[in-house]
Amino acid sequence: DQQVKQNSPSLSVQEGRISILNCDYTNSMFDYFLWYKKYPAEGPTFLISISSIKDKNEDGRFTVFLNKSAKHLSLHIVPSQPGDSAVYFCAARRYGAGGTSYGKLTFGQGTILTVHP
Amino acid sequence: DVKVTQSSRYLVKRTGEKVFLECVQDMDHENMFWYRQDPGLGLRLIYFSYDVKMKEKGDIPEGYSVSREKKERFSLILESASTNQTSMYLCASSRGGGYTFGSGTRLTVV
Repeated sequence: DQQVKQNSPSLSVQEGRISILNCDYTNSMFDYFLWYKKYPAEGPTFLISISSIKDKNEDGRFTVFLNKSAKHLSLHIVPSQPGDSAVYFCAARRYGAGGTSYGKLTFGQGTILTVHP
Repeated sequence: DVKVTQSSRYLVKRTGEKVFLECVQDMDHENMFWYRQDPGLGLRLIYFSYDVKMKEKGDIPEGYSVSREKKERFSLILESASTNQTSMYLCASSRGGGYTFGSGTRLTVV
């Protein structure tokens, strides 16, 4: 059961334009959402996050939007740059039962973003 | 700078071999995780540990085991490597928030 889905395997964008990456989830117990960026032969690095009590979080060129009723989040990159070309993973966290806080993350399949000069 | 270090970047092993993948973190994090990344499947959780000597199965634990004898070290063991375990393996640690990942180990089983 894929609880976090990124339905677009790839996205191609011109430099300077907006990139929009989408993510859907099914588990209403998720309370925190994150985006990671991964270059080939490297581990994923944290990009931006949003709590379920918010609907928007912005950090420089990156903005994440959360629509809880639709169980949908999106990452906007404006303006897109060639160095943004990477795989982007959406992830969702729910705290474990019984008060444990190991905060296991569930990841989507990833979207390959290519930004053309 | 905080770090998660995976001992090998690239490994080639033969079918049937016992394989050890090592991961060390220097952040005093309680939680450590092993994922594998495959094209089209994203990151799938193999095992995780929330304390020394504690472990729990993730989504795809079959064919794997883990060991956490010390807080900073989390080892993934392939008991008898098979070709379908060829993958990128990623270790991560956290204190309950976001993860810090290692650089990954590209394992090829021939």
